[in-house]
Amino acid sequence: DAGVTQSPTHLIKTRGQQVTLRCSPKSGHDTVSWYQQALGQGPQFIFQYYEEEERQRGNFPDRFSGHQFPNYSSELNVNALLLGDSALYLCASSVDRVKEGYTFGSGTRLTVV
Amino acid sequence: SQQGEEDPQALSIQEGENATMNCSYKTSINNLQWYRQNSGRGLVHLILIRSNEREKHSGRLRVTLDTSKKSSSLLITASRAADTASYFCATVYTGGFKTIFGAGTRLFVKA
Repeated sequence: DAGVTQSPTHLIKTRGQQVTLRCSPKSGHDTVSWYQQALGQGPQFIFQYYEEEERQRGNFPDRFSGHQFPNYSSELNVNALLLGDSALYLCASSVDRVKEGYTFGSGTRLTVV
Repeated sequence: SQQGEEDPQALSIQEGENATMNCSYKTSINNLQWYRQNSGRGLVHLILIRSNEREKHSGRLRVTLDTSKKSSSLLITASRAADTASYFCATVYTGGFKTIFGAGTRLFVKA
C-alpha cells in the first residue's frame, strides 16, 4: 500500500519564477494538507484541500495556491518565488475528520537562488 | 505563530534511559498528535490523543494530556540510538482543520 508520494524530491528555481509541486495521497485518504518547513523549524500549515475545495488556509500570501483533483491528488503552486520560499514542502493526507493522524510524504526540497 | 511549544529544545541521553518531552498549547483543541522526523525527511505519526483522553500508550511510547494546563508530554522508555530524531507535537484546535506544529525537540540518543 503506497503512502504519500511527492514529486519532485529536489528543485532549484530562480527568484521570480513559478513552481508546481505534486502530491498523491495515501490510498483511501481524501484530504490533503500542505506544509512549509524551514530548516530547524516545525512545519507551517499552508492550506488543506477536501472535496476539491480549499477549506482552511494558514498565514501565507496569495502567491501560494493549490488544487485538488477528483482522484484526491493535489498540487501546490508558488508564484514570484522569493529567496525566503526556500524550504522543505511537505504534503500530508488523511481521511476527513482525522482520527488516526496524518500520513506525510518525504517532501520536496525547494531552493530559490 | 506556532501554537505548540516543545520543551526542551534539545535532549541528549544514553541508550537505555527514558526521554521525556513536553508540549504546551494555547487554545482549546480537538486532539493532539506527536510526530517524529529523521534528518529533515517526512514526518512519521506516532500517536494521537483526543481532548477527552488523559493518557495513551503505544509500545515504548506514553503520552499524557492535561487540558486544564494545556500541556502534553511524550515519554519514550528504554531509548535506542534509532530513536535519535526530532519530535513534534501538533494540535488541531476546536472547530478548525489546520494542524499547528511546534518547533520540536531534538533528541540524541548515544549508544
